[in-house]
Amino acid sequence: DTGVSQDPRHKITKRGQNVTFRCDPISEHNRLYWYRQTLGQGPEFLTYFQNEAQLEKSRLLSDRFSAERPKGSFSTLEIQRTEQGDSAMYLCASSLAWGGTNTDTQYFGPGTRLTVL
Amino acid sequence: GQQVMQIPQYQHVQEGEDFTTYCNSSTTLSNIQWYKQRPGGHPVFLIQLVKSGEVKKQKRLTFQFGEAKKNSSLHITATQTTDVGTYFCAGAGDYKLSFGAGTTVTVRA
Repeated sequence: DTGVSQDPRHKITKRGQNVTFRCDPISEHNRLYWYRQTLGQGPEFLTYFQNEAQLEKSRLLSDRFSAERPKGSFSTLEIQRTEQGDSAMYLCASSLAWGGTNTDTQYFGPGTRLTVL
Repeated sequence: GQQVMQIPQYQHVQEGEDFTTYCNSSTTLSNIQWYKQRPGGHPVFLIQLVKSGEVKKQKRLTFQFGEAKKNSSLHITATQTTDVGTYFCAGAGDYKLSFGAGTTVTVRA
């Protein structure tokens, strides 16, 4: 399977614990996005990378959240001191962008469902 | 910031009937994308519309982009049980997508 993969698929944690999620994009895709989706809502943008550079962060991304894409391939999203309000599906998407294209087709991974008790 | 609204939120359809879901943006979009998410699944890309007034068809699905590039619609004809899921439109402005809340479609046989 050459699609976007995410690990783990499910994570249950206690409030106050730190969690880290991993996303492996489609090979050769230079853009990688993180979204959060809660029940009954569409995905909400969190942050995105062009290669290894983090170019934009949403105001939703509090200082407890940090994302990295150290080699321009896989990415991690860490949440420190988790809160119950962090419970959601965390989706990763990747795309291939040329030059100054504004947006491109994003391909989503299966997501990591986080439950904070 | 950019806001994308979708109506209706729920669409309960008799198998074989047609329906339309609508998407409206508060700002002009560079393009609009449509995704389908099955229950328990993740969003799957359906189509991208770029040009003003553009119409694209995929079998029983017809997608339209408004002349002002601020609204879009998805029309499904002869609904089948395989059409069940949530359909999201996503407005493209500045590198990221702004998703609507989706239209959740259920089908009664």
